[in-house]
Amino acid sequence: SQQGEEDPQALSIQEGENATMNCSYKTSINNLQWYRQNSGRGLVHLILIRSNEREKHSGRLRVTLDTSKKSSSLLITASRAADTASYFCATDHGAGSYQLTFGKGTKLSVIP
Amino acid sequence: GAGVSQSPRYKVAKRGQDVALRCDPISGHVSLFWYQQALGQGPEFLTYFQNEAQLDKSGLPSDRFFAERPEGSVSTLKIQRTQQEDSAVYLCASSLAGGGSGGELFFGEGSRLTVL
Repeated sequence: SQQGEEDPQALSIQEGENATMNCSYKTSINNLQWYRQNSGRGLVHLILIRSNEREKHSGRLRVTLDTSKKSSSLLITASRAADTASYFCATDHGAGSYQLTFGKGTKLSVIP
Repeated sequence: GAGVSQSPRYKVAKRGQDVALRCDPISGHVSLFWYQQALGQGPEFLTYFQNEAQLDKSGLPSDRFFAERPEGSVSTLKIQRTQQEDSAVYLCASSLAGGGSGGELFFGEGSRLTVL
């Protein structure tokens, strides 16, 4: 079953605007990762944030993590048409679990 | 190779046929995962290998699904007597570290299976 829930399911913005996607999960985590998937392709790792971190940056990406609310957000600043893709959060629950658990994803469309 | 390689990229099977999907992970990567992705959904875990050992197969949906990684590198996912509900993209991912969790996964492009 899928643990994470991304919100919104779909997002359409103009090029240059910021895009914010949210992810909620149910049980405690070791870390949370965000992945991107272009249509018909595999997933590409974007960023990993550990449970003891609150915010992380990578280029135009900013990720926040609130473990008390069991939620994370991914902000893409100054979006480009090439950012059009589906974005998934994935949670690692540790405790001997080997799997990353993915959400259903947010489909982002950036209009030129 | 430079990345995770999967073959075939596309497979059409008649219901009841057996299929085999291959994954060639990044050289030296200890961990290998298989995920199933239905249309419009996120990937769902199927099974995990650490080297040649299959440490978790809890996500395999039925005994028609079987995976192996006999020499700790290439892996094959086999589906026997395919059913229409098996239609999905099957993604393979590898990571450098053992223990399964905790690090970045490198995904292949996937094998899209369509069962008629």
